[in-house]
Amino acid sequence: NAGVTQTPKFQVLKTGQSMTLQCAQDMNHNSMYWYRQDPGMGLRLIYYSASEGTTDKGEVPNGYNVSRLNKREFSLRLESAAPSQTSVYFCASSSVQGQRPHSGYTFGSGTRLTVV
Amino acid sequence: AQSVTQLGSHVSVSEGALVLLRCNYSSSVPPYLFWYVQYPNQGLQLLLKYTTGATLVKGINGFEAEFKKSETSFHLTKPSAHMSDAAEYFCAVSTYGGSQGNLIFGKGTKLSVKP
Repeated sequence: NAGVTQTPKFQVLKTGQSMTLQCAQDMNHNSMYWYRQDPGMGLRLIYYSASEGTTDKGEVPNGYNVSRLNKREFSLRLESAAPSQTSVYFCASSSVQGQRPHSGYTFGSGTRLTVV
Repeated sequence: AQSVTQLGSHVSVSEGALVLLRCNYSSSVPPYLFWYVQYPNQGLQLLLKYTTGATLVKGINGFEAEFKKSETSFHLTKPSAHMSDAAEYFCAVSTYGGSQGNLIFGKGTKLSVKP
């Protein structure tokens, strides 16, 4: 089925460890996004990529890095995990035309990350 | 600047009752508006959207929403709630990128359905 695939689905890290969350979409979308979701905080944008080769900071980029590997793939890296990064992470993609997403976003199923 | 306000972080209804989830937006340009649903331990799924044309839009699972420009609202309704509708619902408005990306999301409304 077409969509956004995230791996892994679950992960437990120790403080200071690093990891990369992978995201791939097969809908030929130009824009991709990484969000974190915490209770009572809604969705907060970490980074996004408007097109292949570009990335921009969102609301909460500190402690994260991203790579837009190609049009399909957009990875999120935690260099030195902290307990405050315990969260559910969602990747999304969209087809942005005229600078707006006419069809909204398509979301992946999420990665539940716990940092101990 | 664009923004979204969802009134009520929690809404509880009885099975069979009307569901009404409120969303008000602010937009400096004609808005694109979206409702998403998130079931427990899942990602967000698009329920319905308004871009142009008919102001009453129908979505999946019997939900619909009406774009009211004069009230800057896009409330989500369903005539008769089912237990399976229990989930969190997010309203979103489009923007032109920036530190919030291309969609600005409300904080969400958690819907509970009582038997």
